[in-house]
Amino acid sequence: DTTVKQNPRYKLARVGKPVNLICSQTMNHDTMYWYQKKPNQAPKLLLFYYDKILNREADTFEKFQSSRPNNSFCSLYIGSAGLEYSAMYLCASSNRREVFFGKGTRLTVV
Amino acid sequence: AQKVTQVQSTGSSQWGEVTLHCSYETSEYFYVILWYKQLFSGEMVFLIYQTSFDTQNQRNSRYSVVFQKSLKSISLVISASQPEDSGTYFCALSEPSMNYGGSGNKLIFGTGTLLSVKP
Repeated sequence: DTTVKQNPRYKLARVGKPVNLICSQTMNHDTMYWYQKKPNQAPKLLLFYYDKILNREADTFEKFQSSRPNNSFCSLYIGSAGLEYSAMYLCASSNRREVFFGKGTRLTVV
Repeated sequence: AQKVTQVQSTGSSQWGEVTLHCSYETSEYFYVILWYKQLFSGEMVFLIYQTSFDTQNQRNSRYSVVFQKSLKSISLVISASQPEDSGTYFCALSEPSMNYGGSGNKLIFGTGTLLSVKP
């Protein structure tokens, strides 16, 4: 089973409100990623976990937080959503060779 | 500087062979190049990967790659193309990352190539 599951599939949020997105995988992969995807742009890496170690990108360091309480589960947290956060959020997991993505969460901030 | 570069768009006729090009920059000894197709829903579907240690070009069903390691170039080849193959294809580079004292592999995407396959 190469399934990566993301919840919810669609999320509507108000400006200034928090958003929490959830991802899970059962492949026992050591690495889990979060990407932001906007139309006609490359997926943008926000952060990733290698085991329990969190790696965050410099330009998104303060905008996104994450937790990984166990190997299978990873969340992405936005403390205060802005209009610019509207995008598809993709979670992926990896065994260092193959990388599998979930179906994504489409976040709309109004 | 762009680490992963792809051409913007290309086209093909049904049943033809399609080649999508990707070039990348890395100084790592071990790395992996992966190819994805993005569906209209936004979902990223994994197609094939090639590691820098692989001496032979990888193949997965109608997908294969042409890996030119010394040129830091890799092409995705789709055989017997069909209209359903139309979509955006992404090339991604997976290489070790040591940001913030962490470890693991960072996955960096190109901007994608829009493929149109005409019946």
